[in-house]
Amino acid sequence: DAGVTQSPTHLIKTRGQQVTLRCSPISGHKSVSWYQQVLGQGPQFIFQYYEKEERGRGNFPDRFSARQFPNYSSELNVNALLLGDSALYLCASSLNGQGPNEQYFGPGTRLTVT
Amino acid sequence: AQKITQTQPGMFVQEKEAVTLDCTYDTSDPSYGLFWYKQPSSGEMIFLIYQGSYDQQNATEGRYSLNFQKARKSANLVISASQLGDSAMYFCAMREGYTGGFKTIFGAGTRLFVKA
Repeated sequence: DAGVTQSPTHLIKTRGQQVTLRCSPISGHKSVSWYQQVLGQGPQFIFQYYEKEERGRGNFPDRFSARQFPNYSSELNVNALLLGDSALYLCASSLNGQGPNEQYFGPGTRLTVT
Repeated sequence: AQKITQTQPGMFVQEKEAVTLDCTYDTSDPSYGLFWYKQPSSGEMIFLIYQGSYDQQNATEGRYSLNFQKARKSANLVISASQLGDSAMYFCAMREGYTGGFKTIFGAGTRLFVKA
């Protein structure tokens, strides 16, 4: 069975630009979460979506937005990129995003902002 | 407020020996879940083990076990018979509740070095 997939693998953008990252969850999983991991730190929660609705949001500015599609795949959008947005962006899927359900992570998208 | 603390930035262990990675947490929610993940240099987060706040027994998964001390709010990961492939970053994480608990927070991580 395919795991969580993310695209692209790497991305280089310039300050002020916009970027869209994509995630496909494990088949049967209805919840997708997004995390930002800056080098040397633990992942920071950005969003969680379940059944196409936003169910959780971390402490990130409005430049960050996301959505989930009917097939449960998800996109993370970041507008007006800053140098500090350079990080590994991880997507995780789980059955319903609650309780003991495990989160399975994708390989991540490494974003570099110059 | 939720908080996860990992006080060991780096740990060394001899191959085939056991090692304990520390994790303490803070929450006011009586219902929560604790997770450990491994992150090799490739960057992918690999799920290792889960412990629920109401679980009576400590979780075990192969060479991984979780030493859960609820009163002390600690959830230490024990890796037995360390292997060279265990060298990686290890993160402790927590999710509160079963209804509103859609947010998982992570600690700063511990880098484990396994020596041959």
